[in-house]
Amino acid sequence: GAGVSQSPSNKVTEKGKDVELRCDPISGHTALYWYRQSLGQGLEFLIYFQGNSAPDKSGLPSDRFSAERTGGSVSTLTIQRTQQEDSAVYLCASSFRRFEQFFGPGTRLTVL
Amino acid sequence: AQSVAQPEDQVNVAEGNPLTVKCTYSVSGNPYLFWYVQYPNRGLQFLLKYITGDNLVKGSYGFEAEFNKSQTSFHLKKPSALVSDSALYFCAVRVPILTGGGNKLTFGTGTQLKVEL
Repeated sequence: GAGVSQSPSNKVTEKGKDVELRCDPISGHTALYWYRQSLGQGLEFLIYFQGNSAPDKSGLPSDRFSAERTGGSVSTLTIQRTQQEDSAVYLCASSFRRFEQFFGPGTRLTVL
Repeated sequence: AQSVAQPEDQVNVAEGNPLTVKCTYSVSGNPYLFWYVQYPNRGLQFLLKYITGDNLVKGSYGFEAEFNKSQTSFHLKKPSALVSDSALYFCAVRVPILTGGGNKLTFGTGTQLKVEL
């Protein structure tokens, strides 16, 4: 079956511009997660959505980062006024069972 | 705080030999532990998990992991390595999210496995 998909696969932007990253979770998965993978910080949790509940935003590194999940399915991660330190691979994961998370291929963001 | 540590940045092994990728954990309560693998320019692929029960967990691609409570370890193993096993391996621990009842993963720093002919 189809796995988690993310778009775009690569994004190059200029410092100060806004970017939107998209995640399509596995159909039927109620939980959706965003993580960031960077050389300096490793893999970090960013934000979590469960059904229609308020998201857990405890991992977002600054108020320039926001995310939404429409209709309990597709999610968009938005980074405003991008900085060079935002350069990383952004990974989305979804889960149905309580523990196993399935990851998408990621979006590689490069901020020039 | 719940955490895992991977003490080796890289492990080299000859094809056909057994491999071990080490992971130790520090958790309060019962640990829920995972192994993921990442191939170049790909996302993370789930290999196996330990929740409860048998200390030897079998997973995908012939991998297994042994949960050792006394040593607080969860080492990944494979009896006979393949060149195609060369990848980046991450150990992870479940950390409860108080709102919504979900779980986030806290990852180790990763171990690069290189299997040579």
